[in-house]
Amino acid sequence: SQQGEEDPQALSIQEGENATMNCSYKTSINNLQWYRQNSGRGLVHLILIRSNEREKHSGRLRVTLDTSKKSSSLLITASRAADTASYFCATDGTSGSRLTFGEGTQLTVNP
Amino acid sequence: KAGVTQTPRYLIKTRGQQVTLSCSPISGHRSVSWYQQTPGQGLQFLFEYFSETQRNKGNFPGRFSGRQFSNSRSEMNVSTLELGDSALYLCASSTGQVPYEQFFGPGTRLTVL
Repeated sequence: SQQGEEDPQALSIQEGENATMNCSYKTSINNLQWYRQNSGRGLVHLILIRSNEREKHSGRLRVTLDTSKKSSSLLITASRAADTASYFCATDGTSGSRLTFGEGTQLTVNP
Repeated sequence: KAGVTQTPRYLIKTRGQQVTLSCSPISGHRSVSWYQQTPGQGLQFLFEYFSETQRNKGNFPGRFSGRQFSNSRSEMNVSTLELGDSALYLCASSTGQVPYEQFFGPGTRLTVL
């Protein structure tokens, strides 16, 4: 079963706008990772945030983690058409190396 | 550094056949994990190999098996294929140590007819 749930399931915005995707999970975690997937291809690793971190930045990406609410958010600033993809959060739970994925958010950035 | 490679990229098989997929991890990585992605079930963990030993296993039937070689390359085998095995199979490479940051290959698209 899926550990996480992404919200919204689909998001459509204009180029230049910011996109925010949320992820909720059920059990305690050590780390949470965000991935991007373009149309049935492999997953691209975006960022890993540890359970003792609250916020992390990488280029136009900002990830927050609230372990008390068991939730994370991914913010993409100044979005581009090339950001169009599905975005997944993945948690490691207590098993360390085994990732459990959410259902993903389909982001469409219109030029 | 070269990324994770998977072969073949596409495969078409018929029910009852068996298939072997291959994954070469990032140089220096000792852990390879396999995941199945389908529209209905999403991304699901199959198993993980670390230093040639299966370290973690998901909830898949015994028809799904794997192994890892001394050079960390891994193979996944599915026997007696069923229509429901049609999926994108992804392998992920990591050092195998905390924080278990995983990097994925492009996947193998398996179609079972």
